[in-house]
Parts: sequence; C-alpha cells; structure tokens
Amino acid sequence: KAGVTQTPRYLIKTRGQQVTLSCSPISGHRSVSWYQQTPGQGLQFLFEYFSETQRNKGNFPGRFSGRQFSNSRSEMNVSTLELGDSALYLCASSLNRVRDEQYFGPGTRLTVT
Amino acid sequence: AQKITQTQPGMFVQEKEAVTLDCTYDTSDPSYGLFWYKQPSSGEMIFLIYQGSYDQQNATEGRYSLNFQKARKSANLVISASQLGDSAMYFCAMREGGYNFNKFYFGSGTKLNVKP
Repeated sequence: KAGVTQTPRYLIKTRGQQVTLSCSPISGHRSVSWYQQTPGQGLQFLFEYFSETQRNKGNFPGRFSGRQFSNSRSEMNVSTLELGDSALYLCASSLNRVRDEQYFGPGTRLTVT
Repeated sequence: AQKITQTQPGMFVQEKEAVTLDCTYDTSDPSYGLFWYKQPSSGEMIFLIYQGSYDQQNATEGRYSLNFQKARKSANLVISASQLGDSAMYFCAMREGGYNFNKFYFGSGTKLNVKP
C-alpha cells in the first residue's frame, strides 16, 4: 500500500505570493489533516478534512485554506505569503476510529524570502 | 488548558540504557486514544505505539512501552535499551472521541539524544 505523498517536497516563494500544496492520502483514508511545523512553535494543527468537508480547524488566519476532493486528495493554499510562513507543512491521513493513528507524508518545506 | 503536555524539551540518555519520556493529557471524554510518534532529523513522522483509554494493559511494541496511568492522566513512553538511532524528537498525541473524534492534539515534543 502506498504511503501518504506530498508535492512538492521543497518550495521557495517570495513574500506576497501564494502557494498550493498537495497531499494524496493512503488509499481508503478519508480523513486528511494538515500541520505546520516550525522550530519555534512545534507542530501546529491547521485543519482536517473528511469526505470533502472541513471538520476541524486550528487557529490560523484566513490566508490558510484547504479543500478535499472526492478521491480524498487534499490541497492547502496559503495566500499573501509572509516570512513567518516558512515551515515544514505536514499532511497526515487516517481512518476514522479513535484507535486509528495518523500516517504522515514526508512534508513540504516552504521557504518564503 | 493544554490538551497534551510534554515537560521535557530535551533529554540525554546513554546508549543501552532505558529512558522515559513524559506525557500528560487533559480530556473529559471517556473514549480517547494516545499515540507516540518519532521524528528523526529527516523530518518524517513515524508512529510508534498506541494506547486506548479502555485498554486494561499497557501497550508494548518491541523496545517501546507505554506506561499508562489513567487516573493521573499520564502516558509516558519508555524506550528500553536505547540505540543511537533513537536520537530524534518524540511527540505524544491524543485523539478524542465525541464531536471532534478525529482531531489529534500533539504535544510540543521531547528531543532525545542518545550518547555512545
């Protein structure tokens, strides 16, 4: 079974630009979560999608948005990039029981200059 | 209140010794799951071990065991016979049942360094 894939793996953008990151979950997983990881703030939850609906949301500004497609693939978008958005963005997928762990992708490392 | 608290930002352990990484959690939901993940410097998040709130016995997976004390709301990870490859960040996480039953909460992590 293929794992969670994220594209691109590395990205360099300029302040003010926008970026779209993509995540393909493990086959059969309908839940996809996104996290931002920075050295100073640790792992911060962005949002979670389940069956194309945003089910949970973290405390991030509206510049951060996402969506999920009918095949469970998910994208997240960051508009008007700021230097502080430089981070590793991790996507995780899971089944839907309390006992089900999240499987993480390798992440997209975004650098904003 | 923090859902998951890891009070040890960094720890050192001698190779072949055992080490305990602390984790406390906060929930009023009777149904929840506790997880530990390892993140090496490469950045990948690796699932290590799971403990369910209704599980009677502490979980074990190879050299990893989870010291689950429900009344104290603690779920400490014990790594026996540490190896150099165990040097990494370790995250404790919780998943609650109820309305937000898929939401994961992660702690701030503990950076473990194994010394030769």
